[in-house]
Amino acid sequence: DSGVTQTPKHLITATGQRVTLRCSPRSGDLSVYWYQQSLDQGLQFLIQYYNGEERAKGNILERFSAQQFPDLHSELNLSSLELGDSALYFCASSPLPGASIETQYFGPGTRLLVL
Amino acid sequence: LAKTTQPISMDSYEGQEVNITCSHNNIATNDYITWYQQFPSQGPRFIIQGYKTKVTNEVASLFIPADRKSSTLSLPRVSLSDTAVYYCLVGDINPGGGADGLTFGKGTHLIIQP
Repeated sequence: DSGVTQTPKHLITATGQRVTLRCSPRSGDLSVYWYQQSLDQGLQFLIQYYNGEERAKGNILERFSAQQFPDLHSELNLSSLELGDSALYFCASSPLPGASIETQYFGPGTRLLVL
Repeated sequence: LAKTTQPISMDSYEGQEVNITCSHNNIATNDYITWYQQFPSQGPRFIIQGYKTKVTNEVASLFIPADRKSSTLSLPRVSLSDTAVYYCLVGDINPGGGADGLTFGKGTHLIIQP
């Protein structure tokens, strides 16, 4: 158990809909990272927040957005969903803003299926 | 961030030593090398991290040559439960660097047979 929690575990929805994925980082971790993992793309970095502020952006679509709240939990919002958005969405946390000095601890992921 | 290249898949047998090599020709001075293990439907799990020479922990060893353009993850005496995807990553050690997260490639699918 990494100490990172994600809800829901599974999510099935229809195209055009909007969903919110939630992540609670390990106690004391200020950085939260979101990743998308699909079969054909591997694990791709989406966005990072550090202590409530957006710190880095990766391959995140404009239809997707995220935020980190004062209690440090984070939400990833996916809107106008398409079939291709079906994937595993992972959240990871670390104490520092940098990615490598402290390793990232991954949550169990949310499996999203868009029908 | 430095791009990495690793084998798509490998297989071996229980009890053998497995070595997975990763190439990272454009590694920067501040980059560390980190390896993760991922089982199906689970998030990646940290295995080992190093900067140069050799690092060993209770799970694996990491060999990094002097030029740091490659690294080799060594798993001693593998078992069936070591069947997983192994990712090699390189990233900036500077905490203020604002790195764009860890860049994962497609990893190496390791299959251990009895």
